[in-house]
Amino acid sequence: EAGVTQFPSHSVIEKGQTVTLRCDPISGHDNLYWYRRVMGKEIKFLLHFVKESKQDESGMPNNRFLAERTGGTYSTLKVQPAELEDSGVYFCASSQGLAENEQFFGPGTRLTVL
Amino acid sequence: AQSVTQLGSHVSVSEGALVLLRCNYSSSVPPYLFWYVQYPNQGLQLLLKYTSAATLVKGINGFEAEFKKSETSFHLTKPSAHMSDAAEYFCAVHTGFQKLVFGTGTRLLVSP
Repeated sequence: EAGVTQFPSHSVIEKGQTVTLRCDPISGHDNLYWYRRVMGKEIKFLLHFVKESKQDESGMPNNRFLAERTGGTYSTLKVQPAELEDSGVYFCASSQGLAENEQFFGPGTRLTVL
Repeated sequence: AQSVTQLGSHVSVSEGALVLLRCNYSSSVPPYLFWYVQYPNQGLQLLLKYTSAATLVKGINGFEAEFKKSETSFHLTKPSAHMSDAAEYFCAVHTGFQKLVFGTGTRLLVSP
């Protein structure tokens, strides 16, 4: 069974540009999460989808970030326009069912904004 | 609000020595607690989790953790370190709202 996949693995862009990160969760997982780790700091929650609906987006930093989950399958996270402080590693995770169930993480996308 | 504190951003041990990674949590309701490990260029992998059953939880690769409510701790241990244990370890908590709250991580270094 394929795990959570993320694309691209690395992205280097200039301030003011747009970047779109993609996450493909494990097939059949209704829950999809985005997290971010800024260098040297903790991994922080961004948002949570249940199927195609946003369940909790309390961690989204500002309105430059837009997340979508088309048809309850894959998800995209767009940053527009990117700022220097957006640099970090963006993780996607998915899970099924109950709250205590394991969240399976992807390898992350390392975003560098110059 | 929940929070997690991991003492020590880096821990160094010799191969064969005891591994102890510390995690303290703060939560106003009974928590779910997790330890994740990240090997280089990989995603986070679940080591073990506490979900209010047994307080001593056994995980993969010989790791275990004990939930101590009185100390609000969930420290991770392994009796004998192996070179392959070198990685970054994250403690995390959530209280049923599904979003995980992570500590800052501890990088374990294992020397021969």
